[in-house]
This record gives sequence, C-alpha cells and structure tokens, in this order.
Amino acid sequence: GENVEQHPSTLSVQEGDSAVIKCTYSDSASNYFPWYKQELGKRPQLIIDIRSNVGEKKDQRIAVTLNKTAKHFSLHITETQPEDSAVYFCAATLSGGSNYKLTFGKGTLLTVNP
Amino acid sequence: SAVISQKPSRDICQRGTSLTIQCQVDSQVTMMFWYRQQPGQSLTLIATANQGSEATYESGFVIDKFPISRPNLTFSTLTVSNMSPEDSSIYLCSVVRHVGTDTQYFGPGTRLTVL
Repeated sequence: GENVEQHPSTLSVQEGDSAVIKCTYSDSASNYFPWYKQELGKRPQLIIDIRSNVGEKKDQRIAVTLNKTAKHFSLHITETQPEDSAVYFCAATLSGGSNYKLTFGKGTLLTVNP
Repeated sequence: SAVISQKPSRDICQRGTSLTIQCQVDSQVTMMFWYRQQPGQSLTLIATANQGSEATYESGFVIDKFPISRPNLTFSTLTVSNMSPEDSSIYLCSVVRHVGTDTQYFGPGTRLTVL
C-alpha cells in the first residue's frame, strides 16, 4: 500500500518568513495529493490540493509543487502569519473508484512567531 | 463543501464498555470513512463505510472491535467495542461527496477517553 513520509515534524519561523514542508510517497499510481491544516482541537481542513497532471498550484500565499518522477510534493507558505500556526498534514491517494483512500503523513507542527 | 456532524462530541467511558458514534451529513455522499487520531498523532484510516454492505477494514482493524453501519447515503455509525484505555483517541468521520471528485471533508470528531 501507499506510504507517505513528511518532513520536518516541527518547524518554527518568524512572522513574514516562508515555510516549506516536504512529503514523499511510495506508490507511483497515486495521483491526488491534498494538504490539510489542523488547528488545535479542530477538524482537519483542506487548504490546497494538486493532481498529477500539473506540477504546481498556487492559492494566494499557499503553493504546492509536485515532482512525479521523484515522487515528492511540497507545501510552500509565504509571508507567514501567526494564524498559520497549526499542524499540517500531507496525503496521497489514487483518485476515483474503489481504490480511493487517503494515506496521511505524520504531520508538521508549524509555529509562526510574532 | 459538506456539513458533517458527529455525536457525541466527547465521552468518558469505563473499560469493557462500548460506545457508538454517529456521523450525519447534510446531503447524500458517495463515500464515508472513519479515522482514528491518537493524541499528537496523524490520521489513521479504520475503514470505509459501504452503504448497504459490510465495511472495508484496513489492516489492524477488525469488525468485532469496530463494527460500522451505513444504512443510507447520509448516515453512518462506528462502535468502539470492549474498550480499553488504548482506545482513547479522537474518532473522525469523513466524506467524499461525488464520484469523480476527490475532496474529502472531515467531521468535527469525537474525543473518547477510556478509564
């Protein structure tokens, strides 16, 4: 089955700096890669996703890049703000059909210091 | 998006007892899942809840311990049976709304403490 590795496990940045979180996946058939943000005591919320037919996707201060050959994808947050502090999870799956099930990385605790 | 509710939001139970968690969605969805999130950990898929048939369990999870029902396209239950302190976790349901879409939405979770 799929295995997703996520690094780093913790990340501390100063407000205004950029943050990068990296994930690798094992199953070359996976084609859908979402990122979730989970604030303390809250449910995971989807913040951005990417499919294997594109290499990069951007939404305001958040971007995700995908390298299918190397089987890794990354989350980039620019101009970080204290409200970006949370745990971020990457995930991977083969989309559509009966094989759909998300495999999550272990998470990255991002702390943005004012 | 999808509006998902779970009951109870939290509970404290004695070992050896069972607890049934309910997940209700505001409209019909194609796929429903149950996850466990142990304190400070990632999300682990317990099973896919199949409408009208037995759930599909992941490795390490069995029906006798985590029976699941899904009587229709908007509702599912997860029972945690014969509980032990190791079952203390947050249990979350999640849904995928339509075939061909990928976005998975999570319920608010049920925080279970077993004494």
